[in-house]
Amino acid sequence: DAKTTQPNSMESNEEEPVHLPCNHSTISGTDYIHWYRQLPSQGPEYVIHGLTSNVNNRMASLAIAEDRKSSTLILHRATLRDAAVYYCILDTSGTYKYIFGTGTRLKVLA
Amino acid sequence: GAGVSQSPSNKVTEKGKDVELRCDPISGHTALYWYRQSLGQGLEFLIYFQGNSAPDKSGLPSDRFSAERTGGSVSTLTIQRTQQEDSAVYLCASSPRPGTSGYEQYFGPGTRLTVT
Repeated sequence: DAKTTQPNSMESNEEEPVHLPCNHSTISGTDYIHWYRQLPSQGPEYVIHGLTSNVNNRMASLAIAEDRKSSTLILHRATLRDAAVYYCILDTSGTYKYIFGTGTRLKVLA
Repeated sequence: GAGVSQSPSNKVTEKGKDVELRCDPISGHTALYWYRQSLGQGLEFLIYFQGNSAPDKSGLPSDRFSAERTGGSVSTLTIQRTQQEDSAVYLCASSPRPGTSGYEQYFGPGTRLTVT
């Protein structure tokens, strides 16, 4: 099973950038890297995904290392609403079964 | 448009009773998934449906757990003879493209099950 490693928790000040790391040293060439977040008392919501190149969307940016063994989710200006658990998941083609770890709990300080 | 909905939002049941949890996926989504999240833990895959294909039940923890999907839409997760260790939040998700990398899953709000 494809696995990822994330820090248990991180803190950020409001309106500052946040870099959430994820290690996935066993990634294969066809694995997509997905990020989801889970706000308190809600189901997870999609944030961003990528394969090889860095990706940007309205929520965040995803920076993928050249060897693809790690990636970083970047929130450009953290808000209080961004406080959540962030999950980094490897999406292996054809398996569709996400393996969620315990994620990184992000605390945003006002 | 409407997202994934689940009912009930909360369910308290006595040990040994059967429970049914319902999931309404996003219209047009062909893939449907059930996950379980115990307190303070990540999500645990339970079962996956895709169209008329046989479901992937490899994540179901015991034969007390079963699930159906009628008409390729609504799904029901049934837990028979509930045990206290079944207490968790049960999450349903749907996806427009099954088994294809790069397509996100859309999650419902979950059903919090408490077995007393």
